[in-house]
Amino acid sequence: NAGVMQNPRHLVRRRGQEARLRCSPMKGHSHVYWYRQLPEEGLKFMVYLQKENIIDESGMPKERFSAEFPKEGPSILRIQQVVRGDSAAYFCASSPSGTQNIQYFGAGTRLSVL
Amino acid sequence: GDSVTQMEGPVTLSEEAFLTINCTYTATGYPSLFWYVQYPGEGLQLLLKATKADDKGSNKGFEATYRKETTSFHLEKGSVQVSDSAVYFCALSPNTGNQFYFGTGTSLTVIP
Repeated sequence: NAGVMQNPRHLVRRRGQEARLRCSPMKGHSHVYWYRQLPEEGLKFMVYLQKENIIDESGMPKERFSAEFPKEGPSILRIQQVVRGDSAAYFCASSPSGTQNIQYFGAGTRLSVL
Repeated sequence: GDSVTQMEGPVTLSEEAFLTINCTYTATGYPSLFWYVQYPGEGLQLLLKATKADDKGSNKGFEATYRKETTSFHLEKGSVQVSDSAVYFCALSPNTGNQFYFGTGTSLTVIP
């Protein structure tokens, strides 16, 4: 049973470009969470999605960031017009339906903005 | 608000030494508590968890006890191995809400 898959593992962007991070949850999981880890800090919650719905986006920056989890395909975290401060590790987690207390994490995408 | 404070690293130990990584939390109600481990180049893996006061989580020789009176969930292992070298994260999940709250992580290096 494959775990949570994130790609790419490393992403380099120049300021002003767009970054798209993908997350495929574990098989059978319909809940996806995105976290960001800035250098020397812990993971910070960004957004929680179920299929085709954003449930909680209280941790998302108000501008330039968006997330989706379509009916088919992976969840996407999209960062428009990236700035140097967006450089971080972005982690995705998934959980089975109805058991939000157990989250399984991917290996993360490390975004570097030049 | 809810938060986790974790012992800062890095920590370097010799093989077979005793390990303690301190973790304290702030939360309303009765959260669940977790330790995750991240090996180099990999994602976070659940190491152990406890869901109520006085519960002891254990796995792979690691233990942590949920202490509500001291709001702590310290990670311990009696004899570390080189293969335990990793970053360890303490986390809590409130009874309500959708997110985990993480500590900053403690890097452990075990030398032969």
